Amino acid sequence: DAGVIQSPRHEVTEMGQEVTLRCKPISGHDYLFWYRQTMMRGLELLIYFNNNVPIDDSGMPEDRFSAKMPNASFSTLKIQPSEPRDSAVYFCASTSSPPMVSTGELFFGEGSRLTVL
Amino acid sequence: GNSVTQMEGPVTLSEEAFLTINCTYTATGYPSLFWYVQYPGEGLQLLLKATKADDKGSNKGFEATYRKETTSFHLEKGSVQVSDSAVYFCALSGFTGGGNKLTFGTGTQLKVEL
Repeated sequence: DAGVIQSPRHEVTEMGQEVTLRCKPISGHDYLFWYRQTMMRGLELLIYFNNNVPIDDSGMPEDRFSAKMPNASFSTLKIQPSEPRDSAVYFCASTSSPPMVSTGELFFGEGSRLTVL
Repeated sequence: GNSVTQMEGPVTLSEEAFLTINCTYTATGYPSLFWYVQYPGEGLQLLLKATKADDKGSNKGFEATYRKETTSFHLEKGSVQVSDSAVYFCALSGFTGGGNKLTFGTGTQLKVEL
């Protein structure tokens, strides 16, 4: 079975450019999460969706970041305009269990490594 | 809010050495606790979990016991292998600002040498 699929795996862009990261969750999973990983801050939850609806976006750093989930099999994380401090690995994860269910397990994609010059 | 504190790495061990990675947590209520592992170039994957006090999670020779009295969930393995080299994340599932979600520690890098 296919896991969580993210694209691109690597992105190098210049400051000010728009960046779009993509995620396809595991089929049947109705929760989708976007995380950012940096050396300084570790793994941070940016936003999560349930049945395509954003539930908690309190981790989105600022208005330059936006996320959408137009259908159950696709989500995007957009940064516009990008800045060097946005350089990080961005992970998408999905699960079929609500986060509050104690046995819930997240399935992570391989990540998108973003470098903003 | 909820938080997870892990020992800083990197931890460097020789093959067949004993491993302990410390993890303590702060949470309201009764969270579930997890260890995730991230191999180079890959996403995180669940290693083991424990859902209530005194539970022991185990997988692939790793184990961790949910200690409510010390709010700890230390990861141990009796004999590490080179293939165990990875970053290990302690996490808890519980209610925090914005709802129920997983809160991760900062990760501990393990390097196992021959």
